Amino acid sequence: DIVMTQSPDSLAVSLGERATINCKSSQSVLSTSNNMNFLAWYQQKPGQAPKLLIYWASTRESGVPDRFGGSGSGTDFALTINSLQAEDVAVYYCQQYYSAPITFGQGTRLEIK
Amino acid sequence: EVQLVQSRAEVKKPGESLKISCKGSGYNFNRFWIGWVRQMSGKGLEWMGIIYPEDSDTRYSPSFQGQVTISVDRSNSIAYLQWSSLKASDTAMYYCARQGFCSGGNCYWGYWGQGSPVTVSS
Repeated sequence: DIVMTQSPDSLAVSLGERATINCKSSQSVLSTSNNMNFLAWYQQKPGQAPKLLIYWASTRESGVPDRFGGSGSGTDFALTINSLQAEDVAVYYCQQYYSAPITFGQGTRLEIK
Repeated sequence: EVQLVQSRAEVKKPGESLKISCKGSGYNFNRFWIGWVRQMSGKGLEWMGIIYPEDSDTRYSPSFQGQVTISVDRSNSIAYLQWSSLKASDTAMYYCARQGFCSGGNCYWGYWGQGSPVTVSS
């Protein structure tokens, strides 16, 4: 199984500042056949289902504010949230869908400082 | 509008059976993989397995193989997750989710149900 490790486990950032969450996979999730990284990011607010933010490592889902951005390739990825808003308080998960079983990172809890 | 509507909360005793459901609408149900995810209280997301409704091709995570059964009712656009003998450790929130626009079952999940809480207690 591909192990996904996020850092940090929790993060407190001031309103208007930038938050960066890292995700490392135990093996590459870059497909050589289509040159795409099989990596997604989800946001889960308290009491809600997860919501897709980013797929193919850097493609923003329709309707997701452009302050959310994904980057990285191979085994190292990051989710960046610029100009943090109060409604961004949530747990964020990375997910690899390169190979079964699909696996998630342990989650990063983002709070307001 | 794509929607996945899951069945209500369930409270069961150890050893009982259970089947929870996920009804899809707003898209061609048969042509997108649907998966199930477990989330135990205060914990992270665990992929349980997926099914392709058109031909019922089903794939399980090794952690859940033999513990649950995933199935579909194509005529009613419903996916199911079932247990034959529940344990207390099955207590969790269960989400269904539909894949995005990929070929094959290895895909991100663009749409999620609201979750079905399951409590197993004597």
